[in-house]
Amino acid sequence: EIVLTQSPATLSLSPGERATLSCRASQSVGSYLVWYQQKPGQAPRLLIHEAFNRATGIPARFSGSGSGTDFTLTISSLEPEDFAVYYCQHRDNWPTWTFGQGTKVEIK
Amino acid sequence: QLQLQESGPGLVKPSETLSLTCTVSGGSISSSRYYWGWIRQPPGKGLEWIANIYYSGSTYYNPSLKSRVTISVDTSKNQFSLRLSSVTAADTAVYFCGRYYSGFDPWGQGTLVTVSS
Repeated sequence: EIVLTQSPATLSLSPGERATLSCRASQSVGSYLVWYQQKPGQAPRLLIHEAFNRATGIPARFSGSGSGTDFTLTISSLEPEDFAVYYCQHRDNWPTWTFGQGTKVEIK
Repeated sequence: QLQLQESGPGLVKPSETLSLTCTVSGGSISSSRYYWGWIRQPPGKGLEWIANIYYSGSTYYNPSLKSRVTISVDTSKNQFSLRLSSVTAADTAVYFCGRYYSGFDPWGQGTLVTVSS
C-alpha cells in the first residue's frame, strides 16, 4: 500500500507570497499524482492531475511538478481565496485510491 | 454540466447499516472510462477513499473497509449507492460522491452522517 506524506502540515504565509507544498510517496507512483483544494464547508476541487496538468478553469498561479516519489504544488503568488487545505492523491494499479493527510495554507 | 448529489439518512444507529445514494445529472453514469466513487471526511480530519465502481460494473474497495462496504450502480436511475454495515461512531463523517477519470471531478456537495444512538 502506497502512503502519501504531505509537508508541512500547516503553512503560514501572507497574500502575494509563494507557497510550496510537498507530497512524498512511499514508493514510486510515476506521474500519477493529483492535487485538490478544499475550503471549509465545501467539497474538494480538482487542481492538478498527472502531476503537472492543471484542471479546467484552474488559474496559472497553480503549478505541479515532480515524478517518482517527490511532488510539489506551487502557488506562485497567494490570492486571498487560496487559503485552504490542499490534498494530494494517487491511484495505483490495483486500483486503490489514497489521499495524503493534507496541508493547510493559512494567513500569516 | 455534470452534477452529483448525495442523499440518505443523516443519523444512523451503531451496529446498523449506513446507506447513501449519489444521483448523477447532466450526463450518463454509463459513460465509458469513468469510475464513480465514495470518499469520506470525519469532522476536522482528512479525506479517506471508500470505494469506486467502474462504468463496466467492476468494484474496488479500500482494504481497511472492504469487509463492511458495498458499492453498486443503478443505470436506470443514473445513480450509484454505498452501503456500510456495522457502523460505529468512527464512521461519523461527511460522505462525498465523485466521478474519477484522472482525478475526482466533479464532487457532490457532501452529506453528514452521524452514528449515534
